[in-house]
Amino acid sequence: GQQLNQSPQSMFIQEGEDVSMNCTSSSIFNTWLWYKQDPGEGPVLLIALYKAGELTSNGRLTAQFGITRKDSFLNISASIPSDVGIYFCAGQEMNRDDKIIFGKGTRLHILP
Amino acid sequence: GAVVSQHPSWVICKSGTSVKIECRSLDFQATTMFWYRQFPKQSLMLMATSNEGSKATYEQGVEKDKFLINHASLTLSTLTVTSAHPEDSSFYICSANRIEKEFFGQGTRLTVV
Repeated sequence: GQQLNQSPQSMFIQEGEDVSMNCTSSSIFNTWLWYKQDPGEGPVLLIALYKAGELTSNGRLTAQFGITRKDSFLNISASIPSDVGIYFCAGQEMNRDDKIIFGKGTRLHILP
Repeated sequence: GAVVSQHPSWVICKSGTSVKIECRSLDFQATTMFWYRQFPKQSLMLMATSNEGSKATYEQGVEKDKFLINHASLTLSTLTVTSAHPEDSSFYICSANRIEKEFFGQGTRLTVV
């Protein structure tokens, strides 16, 4: 089935650095969602995007819905230790009964 | 945001027994809920769509007789893993849609011994 290509798979950064990750798909999406998952927990919604070109911020997080409707990126500015975790993009294809598809995740590590 | 509560958080059961996991939407009504399975260091894999008042829709390769889903009310869906075996050990997560956003429960860690 359809999968999202999420990159990078993992990142090792210093505290204070900015982070960028993205997702691409081969088909057009209606909605892009970005989640963060901590170990042993369910994913928590960070940002939801609904329109092509839409740029939305949530604190230090910024995400954009690509103009082609086939991609999205998430930026985290001035990373802090609690940003550690796995970030998933997710998208909803047109006419797909509310089901969403997940990327494989980006694992963020912050070096001491 | 909306709150989805999942119970239990973890369960250990013997091989051959059945386990029921509950998913509740606490502050909204959800006609549709979703059940996912997640293996270590993997992404979420959709198992089935739970529809209030009707049969669940299962994804390809998911055994409906193995993973029984009941969505008896607008705030509760249950997943029962029947005759569990060690290979069923996994992290199970439910979610519910509200205003075009999907909110997740805390997940249930199932260990079959």
